[in-house]
Amino acid sequence: NAGVTQTPKFRILKIGQSMTLQCTQDMNHNYMYWYRQDPGMGLKLIYYSVGAGITDKGEVPNGYNVSRSTTEDFPLRLELAAPSQTSVYFCASSLDRGSYNEQFFGPGTRLTVL
Amino acid sequence: LAKTTQPISMDSYEGQEVNITCSHNNIATNDYITWYQQFPSQGPRFIIQGYKTKVTNEVASLFIPADRKSSTLSLPRVSLSDTAVYYCLVGDVVHTGTASKLTFGTGTRLQVTL
Repeated sequence: NAGVTQTPKFRILKIGQSMTLQCTQDMNHNYMYWYRQDPGMGLKLIYYSVGAGITDKGEVPNGYNVSRSTTEDFPLRLELAAPSQTSVYFCASSLDRGSYNEQFFGPGTRLTVL
Repeated sequence: LAKTTQPISMDSYEGQEVNITCSHNNIATNDYITWYQQFPSQGPRFIIQGYKTKVTNEVASLFIPADRKSSTLSLPRVSLSDTAVYYCLVGDVVHTGTASKLTFGTGTRLQVTL
């Protein structure tokens, strides 16, 4: 099992450009999440998905879009990049039932918007 | 969602036991307490989770008093490799409609030295 994989690892964007951060998990988890982490801060939830075709906003969704066409993939789209979106982005997945909700995180994508 | 309060940082020597306390005064009946560990440039990693009393695994112990308004993560005999940020999260992980909105605070930065 590769777990949660993210691409790219690093990216520099110019203001106004667009890009898609890719996230794939091979654990057959129904729940998937996107977080951002600014320097020295905790993680903030951007969007999450409870299954294919179902997504919902988290704490900081503005400027981002997501889709979930398959169980495995949960891409995050930035349409008009802004310097405020400079951050490290983490994708995570978890089981959707049971007595715990351990989230498995990917290695992150470091994004800089100039 | 219950708000959590943790110390910003802690220092320890290698081989000592480290106890990190988290306050969560408005914890709800259905809330579980979960701890994550994050190394620099990596995504967080699940350490332990509990509801009440004591939970122990191969990595750590979690102590939760009867009123559940606080919890203590105990790391036995820390080593240099335990230097990381530790996050305490409180939320309902059984009723999965709200499980997706666990909030990561700024965490406790543990520095272990020789």
